[in-house]
Amino acid sequence: DAKTTQPPSMDCAEGRAANLPCNHSTISGNEYVYWYRQIHSQGPQYIIHGLKNNETNEMASLIITEDRKSSTLILPHATLRDTAVYYCIVRVAGANSKLTFGKGITLSVRP
Amino acid sequence: DSGVTQTPKHLITATGQRVTLRCSPRSGDLSVYWYQQSLDQGLQFLIQYYNGEERAKGNILERFSAQQFPDLHSELNLSSLELGDSALYFCASSVLLVPSGNTIYFGEGSWLTVV
Repeated sequence: DAKTTQPPSMDCAEGRAANLPCNHSTISGNEYVYWYRQIHSQGPQYIIHGLKNNETNEMASLIITEDRKSSTLILPHATLRDTAVYYCIVRVAGANSKLTFGKGITLSVRP
Repeated sequence: DSGVTQTPKHLITATGQRVTLRCSPRSGDLSVYWYQQSLDQGLQFLIQYYNGEERAKGNILERFSAQQFPDLHSELNLSSLELGDSALYFCASSVLLVPSGNTIYFGEGSWLTVV
């Protein structure tokens, strides 16, 4: 699986959009971009994933650049409960494909 | 609630002992994954089973073993426990191939403390 690079931390104000960047310059054509988050010692929570088109669900939006070398997770209206470690993971979506977690980015939402 | 159930939630045991962690995957999911999370190592993949067969192995110690049963639940066995085995152990499951990419869902973990 291709590796990803995320800044170690960022913060944003409550109610504002949080834009979390991720670089994955060696991504292959059959690899998806997945985002998970972990709120202090809870199980990692699936947020969203995409292949090349932008995706949106009730939690977030995923914007993938045209060359697929980077992506941005957008939490449109961050709340204090969104404070967590966010992991950007690239993986082939097959039956044998595991998730390889890096260090992620720690998002702190301030009141 | 992800639908993945892990028991026990907390476990304290002594060095040298053996414990078994149990995982019930989401209904219909055939793949089960085990991960370990310790303070200094982050989330580490241990092993994956698919429909009862081992499919992938990560950094799993020889003292650790796992299996997936015909009803698809899985157990992770940890033996000759050492202080360094204290960690959160997560189980995850996923459905097989889905055109839009299969998603892995995690349980809430089992806290193991070795004293």
